[in-house]
Amino acid sequence: NAGVMQNPRHLVRRRGQEARLRCSPMKGHSHVYWYRQLPEEGLKFMVYLQKENIIDESGMPKERFSAEFPKEGPSILRIQQVVRGDSAAYFCASSPREDRTDTQYFGPGTRLTVL
Amino acid sequence: ILNVEQSPQSLHVQEGDSTNFTCSFPSSNFYALHWYRWETAKSPEALFVMTLNGDEKKKGRISATLNTKEGYSYLYIKGSQPEDSATYLCGDGSSNTGKLIFGQGTTLQVKP
Repeated sequence: NAGVMQNPRHLVRRRGQEARLRCSPMKGHSHVYWYRQLPEEGLKFMVYLQKENIIDESGMPKERFSAEFPKEGPSILRIQQVVRGDSAAYFCASSPREDRTDTQYFGPGTRLTVL
Repeated sequence: ILNVEQSPQSLHVQEGDSTNFTCSFPSSNFYALHWYRWETAKSPEALFVMTLNGDEKKKGRISATLNTKEGYSYLYIKGSQPEDSATYLCGDGSSNTGKLIFGQGTTLQVKP
């Protein structure tokens, strides 16, 4: 059973460009969480999605950031018009069901650098 | 306690030493606490999910305890080895949606 996959592992963008980060959950997992680690900071929750639904986006910046988890395919975190402050490591985690005691399995992360 | 706090921030021990560190979390409306081990350039690796007051869980030389009434959990490593060097994160999973609120982590360095 493959683990959580994220791609790309490293992404370089210039200010004003768009960044698309992909997350393929573990097989059988329909719940995806996105977290961000800014430089010198800890992991911070961004958004929680189930297939075709955003459940909790309380950690998402109000502008430029969006996330989706379509019926088919990976979850996508999209950042429009990137700025230098978006440079961070973005991690997704998946879990099999909604119980809060379920383990969240993390992917290797995408390290975004904005020039 | 309003946030998840971990202490110490970093720790240096010699190989063979036993060590422990603390995670403090809001004790009201507690549901679950998650411990992770995070090596540089790798994914956070799940260690334990703890739910019951007085819980004690063990995985090899690593164990954890939980006190939900006072809002803390301890992680213990017995006979530390260099391969135990990592950042240990705790995450409060008490939100209705299951999102994890993480502490800043404790970074452990084990010297051979």
